[in-house]
Amino acid sequence: EAQVTQNPRYLITVTGKKLTVTCSQNMNHEYMSWYRQDPGLGLRQIYYSMNVEVTDKGDVPEGYKVSRKEKRNFPLILESPSPNQTSLYFCASSFSGTSPYEQYFGPGTRLTVT
Amino acid sequence: AQKVTQAQTEISVVEKEDVTLDCVYETRDTTYYLFWYKQPPSGELVFLIRRNSFDEQNEISGRYSWNFQKSTSSFNFTITASQVVDSAVYFCALSGGNFGNEKLTFGTGTRLTIIP
Repeated sequence: EAQVTQNPRYLITVTGKKLTVTCSQNMNHEYMSWYRQDPGLGLRQIYYSMNVEVTDKGDVPEGYKVSRKEKRNFPLILESPSPNQTSLYFCASSFSGTSPYEQYFGPGTRLTVT
Repeated sequence: AQKVTQAQTEISVVEKEDVTLDCVYETRDTTYYLFWYKQPPSGELVFLIRRNSFDEQNEISGRYSWNFQKSTSSFNFTITASQVVDSAVYFCALSGGNFGNEKLTFGTGTRLTIIP
C-alpha cells in the first residue's frame, strides 16, 4: 500500500530534550516536506527536500533541522524543543516535475513540549 | 510573497443544503497551481483537486465543484446537497517557490459542520 508513515504518532517531551520524528514513504517520491499545523494558522511549511541531499527552508524553519540521506526518509529533528513547538506535524511527499503534483500526507505527529 | 485567504473560519449548514467555501489567493507568479485538501475529524489530509493557472474551466466531481476565476484571484469550492460525511476542515493551497512547485502555502482552513 502506498503510504507516508510517521513515528511517533504522539509524543510528550520536556524542554531541551532532543527528539527526532521520522518520516518514510514507499512511493519513490523525489519531493518531501514537513508542515506544522496550529489552530487558526493552517499548515505552515517547515522544510522541504527536492531530492536526496537537497533540502531548503520553508516558512517556519527556526528550531528545526532535517536531513535527506535516503530517498524514502526525511526525519525532522528538534535539537532543543521549546513549548512553542507544541503542534501537530505532518510529513508529505510527491513526485517532482515541472508542475507540482498533489502531496501525500502522513497521519500526523502530535507533539507536546512541556 | 504568496498568500491564501480563507475568510470563513467556520460554517454550519443543515444536511442537503449547498455550501460554498471561499478561497482568495495572492501571487506574483504567472504560472501557479491551486489545491484543495480535506481534513476530516480523523485528522488525515486528503487531496481533492489541483488546478493550474491556465485552466479556468470549472470542474465538477460528483457533488463537488470548483470555480476558478483569475480575474478575482479566487478558487471557490461548492458542495451540493451536503452530507454529514462532508463535515471536515477544508484547506485551500497555492504552489510556488523558485521552481514553481516546491513551496505550498496553505490558507487557515474553513471548518464545515453539516447538521443532520
